[in-house]
Formats: sequence, C-alpha cells, structure tokens
Amino acid sequence: DIQMTQSPSTLSASVGDSVTITCRASQSISDWLAWYQQKPGKAPKLLIYKAPFLEAGVPSRFSGSGSGTEFTLTISSLQPDDFATYYCQQYTSYPWTFGQGTKVEVK
Amino acid sequence: QVDLVESGGGGVQPGGSLRLSCAASGFTFSDYSMHWVRQAPGKGLEWVAALSFDGTNKYYADSVKGRFTISRDSSKNTLFLQMNSLRTEDTATYYCARGGWQTPEYEPFDFWGQGTMVTVSS
Repeated sequence: DIQMTQSPSTLSASVGDSVTITCRASQSISDWLAWYQQKPGKAPKLLIYKAPFLEAGVPSRFSGSGSGTEFTLTISSLQPDDFATYYCQQYTSYPWTFGQGTKVEVK
Repeated sequence: QVDLVESGGGGVQPGGSLRLSCAASGFTFSDYSMHWVRQAPGKGLEWVAALSFDGTNKYYADSVKGRFTISRDSSKNTLFLQMNSLRTEDTATYYCARGGWQTPEYEPFDFWGQGTMVTVSS
C-alpha cells in the first residue's frame, strides 16, 4: 500500500498568513494527488486534484504543486473560513489512501 | 446539483450487522464509480470500499475484507454497504463519495454525502 505522510500535524496561523502543508508518498504517484478540506461535523470537500488543478468554485488563494513523492498545498492569504483540517489523498491505485491530516488552527 | 444522502447508521453490538444506503441524485448514477470512506471519532479518513460503475469490480480495504460488501442498485440510484461481523473498531462516521466516470482509478472523490454514524458497542 502507498503510505501518505503529511506535515505538520497542526499548524497555528493568523488571518492573512501564507501557509504550506506538505504531503509525501511512500512511492511515486506521478501527480495523482488530491487535497480535501474538512470542517468539524462536515464531510470533506475536494479542493485540488491531479496535484495543481483547482476544483470549480475553490478560491484561487489555494494552490497545489508537486509530483512523484512530494507535494504541497499552499493557502496564500489565510481567511477565517480556511481554519479546518486538510487531507491529501493518492488515487493512483487501490487501496486509495489518505494522509493523517493537518489541522490549521487560529494562532 | 449532485447530492448524496447516507442512511442506515445506528448502534449495534459487536458481531452484529448493519446495511448502509447512499441515495444519489443530480447525476447519472450508473455512469460513476462510488466509494465508502469512514472516519472514526477524532481520527482521519480511511477508505473502505469501492465499486465500479457497472458493479462488476469491487475493492475493499484489508480491514473490512470478508466482512463488508459493497453493492449498488442503479434502478434506484442507491449505493449500499452491508456490514457484517462488526467490531468496536468499525465505529465511525461512514461517508459515500462519488468516484470517477466508469472507473474508480485515477479520479478523486469529487462529491461526498453528509455521513451516517455507526457505533459498535456492547
């Protein structure tokens, strides 16, 4: 199975900050990488797919990059609505696997 | 608009069974693969099972293989997860999610339901 490792587990930031979350795959997944946002009590929401592509309706302050085994999610100017938990996911092969999550909290 | 609504969750004793349903609307259900993903309280996301658009290819996480069965009724636009021999570690919120057009591979999960809670406890 492909293991996905996110860092950090928790990130403390303020509104307006630029934040970056890293996701590493245990083997190459090309660019078959998605990022999801989840708020407490809610379902995950797809933000980014195939590494850099923004899902429709997602603000442009979100961006993704990377290929192979290392990927990043950047939020360029953190907004109050962005405090949430973020998960990366590889979807290149069964079984589909998620990172353990990164909680972005108010500093 | 795409909508996925899960139901069937509840409390059950270890060794018991439950059948979850996911009613889909707003898209051609029979064209898409579907997934179940779960999240234990306070924990991360765990993929559970997937089913191809036509129901012929089924995929399971090792943790549920042999105990859970994924199926679909495209005439009713509904996805199912039959869960048998439930264990305390199966306690989680279960989400259905839409996968790729026809094949589950190489496509993210673009729409999710609101989830249904399953509690396995004696």
